[in-house]
Amino acid sequence: AQKITQTQPGMFVQEKEAVTLDCTYDTSDQSYGLFWYKQPSSGEMIFLIYQGSYDEQNATEGRYSLNFQKARKSANLVISASQLGDSAMYFCAMKGGPTGGNEKLTFGTGTRLTIIP
Amino acid sequence: EPEVTQTPSHQVTQMGQEVILRCVPISNHLYFYWYRQILGQKVEFLVSFYNNEISEKSEIFDDQFSVERPDGSNFTLKIRSTKLEDSAMYFCASSEMGRLYNSPLHFGNGTRLTVT
Repeated sequence: AQKITQTQPGMFVQEKEAVTLDCTYDTSDQSYGLFWYKQPSSGEMIFLIYQGSYDEQNATEGRYSLNFQKARKSANLVISASQLGDSAMYFCAMKGGPTGGNEKLTFGTGTRLTIIP
Repeated sequence: EPEVTQTPSHQVTQMGQEVILRCVPISNHLYFYWYRQILGQKVEFLVSFYNNEISEKSEIFDDQFSVERPDGSNFTLKIRSTKLEDSAMYFCASSEMGRLYNSPLHFGNGTRLTVT
C-alpha cells in the first residue's frame, strides 16, 4: 500500500519569497513516481511536476522544483519567487510499479498556500 | 494543449435521482479514471478503466456507480440513486500509459455534484 503525508495544512508566504511544501511517502514499490498538482480556488487540478524513483537529478519545471530525498522518502515542492497566482491548494501524489503495477494515483491531504502581497 | 473536458461543471439533483457525469479524455490516452473530492477533503480514487473494462475500483465504487465508454470519445460516470453523501467534486482524468509509474494523470476541471 502507498501512503502520502503532507503535514502542513496551511502556509502563508510573502510574495516573491521561496516556499517549500513538504511531502513524505511510504511504499514498498521499487519503481514509483511522485507528482505535484495545484488546485486553485476555481477547482481544477493542474499537473505541475513529476519525479521518478530512479531519477538521479531533482526535477525542475520553471519556478517549480522537486527536492527529492529518496533515503528520507521525501519529495518536497519548492516554488521560487512566489506570485499571488500561486495561492492554491497543492497536492502531492504517487503511483508505483513499472508496468502492470498500480496505475492509480494516491493523494496526500494537501497544503493550502496563501501568498501575501 | 490537449485537455480533459468535463460536463456539466455543476449539477444539482435530488436524492434518489440518477445522474450521469460526462468526460472527454485526451484523444490519444488509453487509461481513464474517476476521482472525487468531498469539500475540503482529500482526493479519492473511484475507478480506473482500460481497454473497455474496469481495471480497478475502490470501496467507494459500489453497485450504485457504473462507468461506460459509449463511443470513441466519451467516458461517463453514472450514479444510479444519489445520496446526500455523494455531494462532491468529481474529477475525470486520463493517462497516456497508465501503468507506467512515470505517466502522469491529466485531470478535467471537475463536475460539482450537489445532492439535495
